[in-house]
Amino acid sequence: GNSVTQMEGPVTLSEEAFLTINCTYTATGYPSLFWYVQYPGEGLQLLLKATKADDKGSNKGFEATYRKETTSFHLEKGSVQVSDSAVYFCALSIAKGGSEKLVFGKGTKLTVNP
Amino acid sequence: DTGVSQDPRHKITKRGQNVTFRCDPISEHNRLYWYRQTLGQGPEFLTYFQNEAQLEKSRLLSDRFSAERPKGSFSTLEIQRTEQGDSAMYLCASSYWTDPAEAFFGQGTRLTVV
Repeated sequence: GNSVTQMEGPVTLSEEAFLTINCTYTATGYPSLFWYVQYPGEGLQLLLKATKADDKGSNKGFEATYRKETTSFHLEKGSVQVSDSAVYFCALSIAKGGSEKLVFGKGTKLTVNP
Repeated sequence: DTGVSQDPRHKITKRGQNVTFRCDPISEHNRLYWYRQTLGQGPEFLTYFQNEAQLEKSRLLSDRFSAERPKGSFSTLEIQRTEQGDSAMYLCASSYWTDPAEAFFGQGTRLTVV
């Protein structure tokens, strides 16, 4: 089946630190990969995505590269800010002409301290 | 259009009661999804509509659950004879046919069954 495994949190960093949140996947077929973010009190928002191998998604200083050989899509940011404190979800969907529903990991809570 | 909206935001109900949630998707989106999220977990797919047709249902969706999307616009999710295990955040998402996997989420309805 299709599944996503991401590193367990919580993760606590100081402002301007480097962030990595690991994500690996198992999929039948060729998934698209996503990172969603959930800020406190808000709904899930798409942060970035990649639709094929070696694609790099980027947004707001965050990056993730679709690595087919290691079935990974790790999220990175060079210098985090307090405003990046949120829960981050890695997800995949399979484009088979069906529902293309999202399969999520459990989420990683990030806290950035000033 | 300000995005996907869900109503109510919070619902507390007694075990055995019926509850109904509403989702208004982004107006031009023809795809609509319901997900359920429990504490410490990522969202799990429940069901999917393309226009007014319900095309896929998860095994998580027991026969106490029913969803509709009349006229392909708003959707409702009804839970009959609620149980404590139904306590969760119920999320609605919508997407457009040209990029079905890029889903936009509402803020969710938090259900507490007491």
